[in-house]
Amino acid sequence: QVQLQESGPGLVKPSETLSLTCTVSGGSISNYYWTWIRQPPGKGLEWIGYIYYSGSTSTSYNPSFKSRVTIAVDTSKNQFSLKVISVTAADTAVYYCARDAKTTYSNNYYRFFDYWGQGTLVTVSS
Amino acid sequence: DIQVTQSPSSLSASVGDRVTITCRAHQGIINYLNWYQQKPGKAPKFLIYAASNLQGGVPSRFSGSGSGTDFALTISSLQPEDFATYYCQQSYTTPWTFGQGTRVEIK
Repeated sequence: QVQLQESGPGLVKPSETLSLTCTVSGGSISNYYWTWIRQPPGKGLEWIGYIYYSGSTSTSYNPSFKSRVTIAVDTSKNQFSLKVISVTAADTAVYYCARDAKTTYSNNYYRFFDYWGQGTLVTVSS
Repeated sequence: DIQVTQSPSSLSASVGDRVTITCRAHQGIINYLNWYQQKPGKAPKFLIYAASNLQGGVPSRFSGSGSGTDFALTISSLQPEDFATYYCQQSYTTPWTFGQGTRVEIK
């Protein structure tokens, strides 16, 4: 059974950098996309970006983050990470890592988030 | 971005009721539509992909339908463990986007 676990500081000061790591266990990080999603308190889900296991040339980010986001992967540790620079209070949220899986159905490829971490609350405050 | 709108935003229902949640994409997404269930304080759980395909282990009382711009998630007979918030998500093109969620509450 694949399991994901987020780790990182729960409190970040405004204008600083939010850094989180997701550790994948029970399966290999290889051959999958890996994604970050966040959820502000009491609000809905927002996709941040994904990375393919092969590395930084295979990334996609939500343009709403305006180049503040970087996702990286370390296959030797079965981990991937998220950095968000220049954070503000609006970045306060529960951050989830998830497996962004791909399957074939009726000769088409479909993507979905099939395994999720438990989430970690990051508060931006001085 | 492809905006995805769910309705209603919340509903009250009783155990045994048939419940339908709708999701509308603001442009056609064929059937690239997923559904998730989220309980308070927990991560979302993946339910359905390609609009109507149940993930393994998801009870058969859940079903999905639709194509193009209009989709639906139906729970045929609501069970106590189904009270949660449900989200649709389009996987047609990045940025992947979610609906705002539908909260299913106990009447």
